Amino acid sequence: EVQLVESGGGLVQPGGSLRLSCAASGFIFSSYWMSWVRQAPGKGLEWVANIKQDGSEKYYVASVKGRFTISRDNAKNSLYLQMNSLRAEDTAVYYCASERFLEQFDYWGQGTLVTVSS
Amino acid sequence: QSVLTQPPSVSGAPGQRVTISCTGSSSNIGTGYDVHWYQQLPGTAPKLLIYGNNNRPSGVPARFSGSKSGTSASLAITGLQAEDEADYYCQSYDSSLSGSVFGGGTKLTVL
Repeated sequence: EVQLVESGGGLVQPGGSLRLSCAASGFIFSSYWMSWVRQAPGKGLEWVANIKQDGSEKYYVASVKGRFTISRDNAKNSLYLQMNSLRAEDTAVYYCASERFLEQFDYWGQGTLVTVSS
Repeated sequence: QSVLTQPPSVSGAPGQRVTISCTGSSSNIGTGYDVHWYQQLPGTAPKLLIYGNNNRPSGVPARFSGSKSGTSASLAITGLQAEDEADYYCQSYDSSLSGSVFGGGTKLTVL
């Protein structure tokens, strides 16, 4: 059974940092692109960033470029999102998802809530 | 303002058929990128419902179907059931943004 389990969310002040993790199991993690997708409270889905199987390519939505960094450790079957210079508008549930590049998101985690507030 | 446009809400009675539209542009759906659909039940994570315009993952009932034409796509649900009440999102790839884009979501109410 495919499982994606996010962790690391919480309350952080504006300008602060947070590192999200996603532990994968039940599939060959190193064979998939992986993404982070977020959902602000009461709002729709927004793709945030993705990373190629070997980590050699990374892409970001314009609003997080230069502030967020996606990375992965295939030996640990784990995906990460380092979030710096956080803003109130980054408040959202962050989901990790397996991705078919340029195509769909097959599997999703349960999400972790990030709240940016003073 | 989402890159892909969906109606905010649709509704139907049990047993009826409803459709949800998804309108894009020449930099996403119109370029030939596939459209995918997700179902998000209240308080849960999104789940892949339709991929590659009209394909259903294993376990998704045949009541759900998708289609694509030009710069738009549609999700159809036949034989509406109470458990279909959820938010539905379309998704595609946008070449000008170099990333995936979603519709704003459509809330389906089963009357």
